[in-house]
Amino acid sequence: EAGVTQFPSHSVIEKGQTVTLRCDPISGHDNLYWYRRVMGKEIKFLLHFVKESKQDESGMPNNRFLAERTGGTYSTLKVQPAELEDSGVYFCASSIDPSQPQHFGDGTRLSIL
Amino acid sequence: GENVEQHPSTLSVQEGDSAVIKCTYSDSASNYFPWYKQELGKRPQLIIDIRSNVGEKKDQRIAVTLNKTAKHFSLHITETQPEDSAVYFCAASVQGGSEKLVFGKGMKLTVNP
Repeated sequence: EAGVTQFPSHSVIEKGQTVTLRCDPISGHDNLYWYRRVMGKEIKFLLHFVKESKQDESGMPNNRFLAERTGGTYSTLKVQPAELEDSGVYFCASSIDPSQPQHFGDGTRLSIL
Repeated sequence: GENVEQHPSTLSVQEGDSAVIKCTYSDSASNYFPWYKQELGKRPQLIIDIRSNVGEKKDQRIAVTLNKTAKHFSLHITETQPEDSAVYFCAASVQGGSEKLVFGKGMKLTVNP
């Protein structure tokens, strides 16, 4: 069984540019989560999809972040325009059911210059 | 909202020693407590979890204990090996509630051969 897959593994962009991160959950997992770890700090929740619906987006920092999950399969997280404080590692996780463990991807390391 | 504190932030032990990582949480509604291990450059991997209806769970060399009254839980690793070296994260969530994981800041464990 393939695990959670994230693309790209690393992205370096300049402040003000746009970046789109992608997450492919484990097949059959309806629940998809985005988290972020800013250097030296804890991993923080961003949002939770159940299929294509946003169940909880309370962790989204501001309206520069847009998450989508069209068709309830893969998800994208777009940052537009990127700011310096957006640098960090963005993790995606999925679970078959909210009561089951969340499985994480390798993350996307985002560097804003 | 929930807050999870984790300590120590770093721990260095000799191979064969035991290691203990402690976490406290603030939300008495939290009922699910997973532990993740992240090796350098790899994804966070779930190593053990515990739900609030039990006080202890063991899996080979690792065990987790939960004290609901004091709102703290701990990870115990016995007979440590160099491959146990990693960053360990504790987390808490409300299953049946928001489902999001709230993480501690992580602890870097170094096992010296």
